[in-house]
This record gives sequence, C-alpha cells and structure tokens, in this order.
Amino acid sequence: DQQVKQNSPSLSVQEGRISILNCDYTNSMFDYFLWYKKYPAEGPTFLISISSIKDKNEDGRFTVFLNKSAKHLSLHIVPSQPGDSAVYFCAASGLSGGYQKVTFGTGTKLQVIP
Amino acid sequence: DVKVTQSSRYLVKRTGEKVFLECVQDMDHENMFWYRQDPGLGLRLIYFSYDVKMKEKGDIPEGYSVSREKKERFSLILESASTNQTSMYLCASSFLAFGFKDYGYTFGSGTRLTVV
Repeated sequence: DQQVKQNSPSLSVQEGRISILNCDYTNSMFDYFLWYKKYPAEGPTFLISISSIKDKNEDGRFTVFLNKSAKHLSLHIVPSQPGDSAVYFCAASGLSGGYQKVTFGTGTKLQVIP
Repeated sequence: DVKVTQSSRYLVKRTGEKVFLECVQDMDHENMFWYRQDPGLGLRLIYFSYDVKMKEKGDIPEGYSVSREKKERFSLILESASTNQTSMYLCASSFLAFGFKDYGYTFGSGTRLTVV
C-alpha cells in the first residue's frame, strides 16, 4: 500500500522555465512533508519541508504547496537550472506506533534541458 | 556539516554469506535509519533506532537485523544474503524531534550491494 505517490516517474523542462513536481498521499495523519533531491551515486539531500498547518513554504527558487483537502503537495522550482537535474523524492511524516515515521514516494527524475 | 559515512560504496557478496553494512554519523544524532532504494519502489525503511541498543522494525525487516552499540554507529546485517537483497542501501540520521522537522534526515552516500 503506497501511502505516498509520485505518479510521474520523469519530467523534462527547459532551463529558465518552471518545474512542477507532484505528490499525493493517502494518510490524513501525516503532519509534516518534505522534499529531497538525489544525484546519482549520492545520498538524498534535504531540500524543503512544510508543516500540515501551512499551505506554502518558500526557500529561494523552491516553493512547496500543500493542499490538505486534496491530500496533494507540489514542489515548484523557478527558474529551473541544469544543476537541478536529479531525482526528487517526496516524503511524509506522522506518528506511527509511538514514533515519528517518514514514508517516501517513489521519486521523479527531473531533467532540465539547457 | 553533518556527515553520515557508509563504509563501502560497492560490495559484491555471494548468496548465503553474512553481510555487514556499517554507518557512522558525527553529529550526535539520536536517530539512525537504514533504507533500501529500488527502482519504482522509492526508499523503503528496513530498521531504525532512537537510542543506543534500541531498535525498531521498519516496513521491510525480513532477512535483516541491526546493531547499535554506540550512539554514532548503526550496523545493518544481512544474516544470509539472497539475490533479492541486491539493492542500494542508504543510512540516515537525524535529531530526535525539533531538529528533524527543520532539517530532515542526513543521508550517507549509499552502498550498492550486489548478491550473486
């Protein structure tokens, strides 16, 4: 049962344009959401997070939007740069069995074309 | 900078071997985790630990065990390696609560394990 879904395995965007990566979740008990970026042969690195009590969080070129009623979040990258080419994982966190547990999505591979 | 170091980048082991994957973090994090990453499946949690000598099963613990004798070190053990355990293994660490929500997990670079 995939509680966090990234339905687009890949995405191609021209340099300078907006990249929009989407993520859906099914568990309404998730209270925190995160995005990670992963380059080949490296571990994922934390990018940006958002609490369930907010609907938007911005950090430089990266903005995460949360729509709780739709159980949907998205990551916007503006403007996109070739160095943004990587796999992006969406993650959701909530209490499970007394512990804060993080569930990851399957990832979206972003290619930014120069 | 927080560093999570995994002892090997690439490993090739034979079916039935006992395999040890080591992970060390240098920022006094309470939490440590082992994930595996497979195409189309994302990152799946194998085991985690919130304190020394403490361990909890994740989503796919079968065929694995862990050891945390010191706060900075978390070992993943494949008791008898099988070909379906061929994967990328990622170790991560984080602060217990507040720090996690601001900074997320810090991951190591991963160990690519091939079981033949």
